[in-house]
Amino acid sequence: EAGVAQSPRYKIIEKRQSVAFWCNPISGHATLYWYQQILGQGPKLLIQFQNNGVVDDSQLPKDRFSAERLKGVDSTLKIQPAKLEDSAVYLCASSLSLGTSGRTDTQYFGPGTRLTVL
Amino acid sequence: GIQVEQSPPDLILQEGANSTLRCNFSDSVNNLQWFHQNPWGQLINLFYIPSGTKQNGRLSATTVATERYSLLYISSSQTTDSGVYFCAVEPVGANNLFFGTGTRLTVIP
Repeated sequence: EAGVAQSPRYKIIEKRQSVAFWCNPISGHATLYWYQQILGQGPKLLIQFQNNGVVDDSQLPKDRFSAERLKGVDSTLKIQPAKLEDSAVYLCASSLSLGTSGRTDTQYFGPGTRLTVL
Repeated sequence: GIQVEQSPPDLILQEGANSTLRCNFSDSVNNLQWFHQNPWGQLINLFYIPSGTKQNGRLSATTVATERYSLLYISSSQTTDSGVYFCAVEPVGANNLFFGTGTRLTVIP
């Protein structure tokens, strides 16, 4: 079974530029997550999709970040314009569903995209 | 919001030693998962453990939800166990995970 795929693996941009990340979840997984992991910290959820609908985007800085999952499979996360503090690893994860009794299912993570903003 | 604290923050072990990592959380949770982030940054799910005890090879985990903590045991540690261990909790009423502060483990040969 193929895992979660992400690209690019690394990206270096100047501040105020835009950047986009791509994620392909495990086949058949309905739920997709984007996390931001700043160096030395645990991942922080940015946005969560169930199929092509947004479940939670309360921690997404909507003035500069956007994400979509148009066909309920692949997803893209965009930052425009980037700031220095956006330097981080952006992780995509997927799970089979939202789980039963309100519990999330096991989450499987991709390798991440390391973003450096200069 | 919920606070998730892990201890110790850093741990250095000789290969073959055993260790216990702790995760404390401040509110009631529906779910708890343990992850290992290897030195290349890949996060691997180790346990899905909202309560009780589970074992997988040299690793085992116990969650006591009523007392708001979970423990991860690593026995006969190997250099490949090095990395950062995170616990992540799903607060009651939420549908997502909140990650802890992490424990960085270094196993030396």
